[in-house]
Amino acid sequence: GAGVSQSPSNKVTEKGKDVELRCDPISGHTALYWYRQSLGQGLEFLIYFQGNSAPDKSGLPSDRFSAERTGGSVSTLTIQRTQQEDSAVYLCASSLGPPTSGNTIYFGEGSWLTVV
Amino acid sequence: EDKVVQSPLSLVVHEGDTVTLNCSYEVTNFRSLLWYKQEKKAPTFLFMLTSSGIEKKSGRLSSILDKKELFSILNITATQTGDSAVYLCAVLTGNQFYFGTGTSLTVIP
Repeated sequence: GAGVSQSPSNKVTEKGKDVELRCDPISGHTALYWYRQSLGQGLEFLIYFQGNSAPDKSGLPSDRFSAERTGGSVSTLTIQRTQQEDSAVYLCASSLGPPTSGNTIYFGEGSWLTVV
Repeated sequence: EDKVVQSPLSLVVHEGDTVTLNCSYEVTNFRSLLWYKQEKKAPTFLFMLTSSGIEKKSGRLSSILDKKELFSILNITATQTGDSAVYLCAVLTGNQFYFGTGTSLTVIP
C-alpha cells in the first residue's frame, strides 16, 4: 500500500484478555518498528525487525508482549493478559533500510488500545 | 484528508549555523503537535505544543506553534555535528497520530 497500515485503529478490551495489533508496512521496506506512546510521554521503543535478522526485542516491557513478522512483511504485536497500564497508542513504522541518519521512518496512524 | 507536511526534506549546514525546520498540518480535531529527533531506532521526544504563540525552549532548541496558520517551527541555534538526525513532526488528533516524513539534517564540521 501507499503507507503504513495499522489495524484496528481503536480497541477497547477487558483486563486479562489478549489482543493482537496488526501492521502492514510499506512495500519493500525491510525495517519495521513497534513503539508505544502514552499521553504526554515520548515514544517508547518496543521491538525492531530488520530483514531476516533476529529481531531486537530489547524494548518489550514484559513477557506478556510478543511480536512476529511473517514473510518479512506484515507484523503482529500480541499482548497477553492485558493490564490497565497497557493502555496506550501502539505505533508501527517502517523504513527502507536500517536506522541510519537520513533513512526516514514512516509511521502508521496507530492502534489506540484501552484496557478497562 | 488529514496530513502533516515537513520542509525542507533535507538540509546540510555547517557547524555554528542556525536552522529552522517547518511543519504544517491539516487535521480535524487537533489536540497537540510533537517534535522528535530520530537518530537510531527510537525517536527522542523534544517538545509537545498545544497552545499557540508559546515558545518552548530546551538548550539550543526551541519551538513554537501557530494554530491559526496551522504550522510549527523548530529552531536549532549554533548547530553541532551531534544535531545530525531526522527531525519528525507529529500531530495528535482525537485518536490518531499523523507523522510527517521528517527533515534530514546533516551538520558538517
